[in-house]
Amino acid sequence: EVQLVEFGGGLVQPGGSLRVSCLASEFTFKNYWMNWVRQAPGEGLEWVANIKEDESEINYADSVKGRFTISRDNAQNSLYLQMSSLRVDDTAVYFCARGGRPHAFDLWGQGTMVTVSS
Amino acid sequence: QSALTQPPSVSGSPGQSVTISCTGTSSDVGGYNRVSWYQQPPGTAPKLLIYEVSNRPSGVPDRFSASKSGNTASLTIAGLQAEDEADYYCSSYTRSKTFYVFGTGTKVIVL
Repeated sequence: EVQLVEFGGGLVQPGGSLRVSCLASEFTFKNYWMNWVRQAPGEGLEWVANIKEDESEINYADSVKGRFTISRDNAQNSLYLQMSSLRVDDTAVYFCARGGRPHAFDLWGQGTMVTVSS
Repeated sequence: QSALTQPPSVSGSPGQSVTISCTGTSSDVGGYNRVSWYQQPPGTAPKLLIYEVSNRPSGVPDRFSASKSGNTASLTIAGLQAEDEADYYCSSYTRSKTFYVFGTGTKVIVL
């Protein structure tokens, strides 16, 4: 089945770090831009970051620039988001999403919850 | 970069049509044909409905259609069904530093 599965979420204290991961299955991962999108509890969607197929281009939302790092391992069909200096307002479900259509996200994972709290 | 503006909710009876608006600026919706729409039923991940303003991926019913005029994009759901009850989000590429921006979201209520 073509799918994305995120994992690695959890509870972390303000100022702490966490890495979430996304494993792709049954499609040629190395051929796609990949994105992270988050959704705070009861709130809307917020685009976080994306990375080109060969990692030659990376973009971040202003809200996470300098604190979050997106990366990928095409040999492992995996996408990562390293989050540091975490703040309470980073609390959200983090989705990975494939950029399979021009400037659109055509495949989403189920999400992993990150809670930043003391 | 502020979120694109959508109405908080729209409602309709089964069989009726509803339209959701998505208003941005010339830096995003108005400047590019890079608007997409997503459906998110409660407790689930979003699903792509429309890309590049009006294109439907395979498997999306033709009851869903979309267009754009100036800085406002619109999604229309014709022949409303109970299963269409969900949150709907627009998204656009933006030439601001944010790269992509989502709308505020609209809850579709089937009466």
